[in-house]
Amino acid sequence: GAVVSQHPSRVICKSGTSVKIECRSLDFQATTMFWYRQFPKQSLMLMATSNEGSKATYEQGVEKDKFLINHASLTLSTLTVTSAHPEDSSFYICSARDWASGSFYEQYFGPGTRLTVT
Amino acid sequence: KQEVTQIPAALSVPEGENLVLNCSFTDSAIYNLQWFRQDPGKGLTSLLLIQSSQREQTSGRLNASLDKSSGRSTLYIAASQPGDSATYLCAVEVAGGTSYGKLTFGQGTILTVHP
Repeated sequence: GAVVSQHPSRVICKSGTSVKIECRSLDFQATTMFWYRQFPKQSLMLMATSNEGSKATYEQGVEKDKFLINHASLTLSTLTVTSAHPEDSSFYICSARDWASGSFYEQYFGPGTRLTVT
Repeated sequence: KQEVTQIPAALSVPEGENLVLNCSFTDSAIYNLQWFRQDPGKGLTSLLLIQSSQREQTSGRLNASLDKSSGRSTLYIAASQPGDSATYLCAVEVAGGTSYGKLTFGQGTILTVHP
């Protein structure tokens, strides 16, 4: 099956700094990727839809100036958490769909990035 | 707004038992429903995907059914093993408009299979 990677897997940063998380589709092209956030013992909440070559679409309540998304190529989307605060500490997961595969509807998820803001 | 509910929230069973996890959703206009497994601190592994026109899918010891009209899905795990211990999430993709590709997740069922 298709593989999605994320980097880094874990990051600890100080309050006020910015952190960039990468999401890559390793063996397929992804015109659309999705970014989710998961708090401890809670489910995944969609943050935004990342579109290659255009602006991301953010879900209601997600601050677009705080969570900057750039989909620079067909295999890479980045999420930058700007001026991070402790409440931004969470597990961030991306997903992508392989439109060219026979499993048209299936989404493939990255392994996640654990962000801790101190 | 689509809401997804999973019951039970947690389940502990002895090895070898057959078990059923339940998922319900409020809006029946879906493209598909997907079941995932998540191990602690890890990403999601897709288990089964049922398209809206299908009623069930099977993979090994797993069987998932979908009743779109009643907004329900079940995941059946046969002959459970300790390695099945994980959180199981169901997610629906809502049909139409700007929702294409977006998944709405349930809260998950934490499954523990003890030897």
